[in-house]
Amino acid sequence: EIVLTQSPGTLSLSPGERATLSCRASQSVTSSFLAWYQQKPGQTPRLLIYAASSRATGIPDRFSGSGSGTDFTLTISRLEPEDFAVYYCQQYGTSPFTFGPGTKVDI
Amino acid sequence: EVQLVESGGGLVKPGGSLRLSCAASGFIFSGYSMNWVRQAPGKGLEWVSSISRSSDYIYQADSVKGRFTISRDNAKNSMYLQMDSLRAEDTAVYYCARSPGVGTYYFDYWGQGTLVTVSS
Repeated sequence: EIVLTQSPGTLSLSPGERATLSCRASQSVTSSFLAWYQQKPGQTPRLLIYAASSRATGIPDRFSGSGSGTDFTLTISRLEPEDFAVYYCQQYGTSPFTFGPGTKVDI
Repeated sequence: EVQLVESGGGLVKPGGSLRLSCAASGFIFSGYSMNWVRQAPGKGLEWVSSISRSSDYIYQADSVKGRFTISRDNAKNSMYLQMDSLRAEDTAVYYCARSPGVGTYYFDYWGQGTLVTVSS
């Protein structure tokens, strides 16, 4: 099983600042099959990024993903108030298709 | 508009069974792999099980293997999760989610979820 570790656990920032979230895998993620999701309290998860760096439909370009192998990054270039949420990475290259524990971005 | 609606959740005793359903609309159901993902109260996301378009491929988390069975009925645009031998640690909101790519199990649309509570 590929274990995903996300850091930091909590990121305290202000609107307008840049957020950099890390997702590290215990072994190489096949074909960079890594996705990022955003979840706000009381809401369902929302797909942001797939294939490590491809933005999902309707996702603003302030969200970007990068990385390969075992190290991946989600960057939010300038935080908007609606971006404060929990972010999860997920690998789907190898079953079981595991999630990371999440990074909370708060004010 | 893509819609996924889960049903079948509720309160069940440890060792009991429950069958969840996911009704899909707004897309060609038979053209997409489907999935169950759960989230325990106050916790993170946990992938549970996935099924390919024609049910040829089924994947399951070790935590539910031998107890949960995923299935689908393309004629009814529906997916199911039969949950047996339920444990307290299975308590969670269960989400139905669609995978947009062939053989790629990430999730572009999610239902609102159905709560399963396992307690005596």
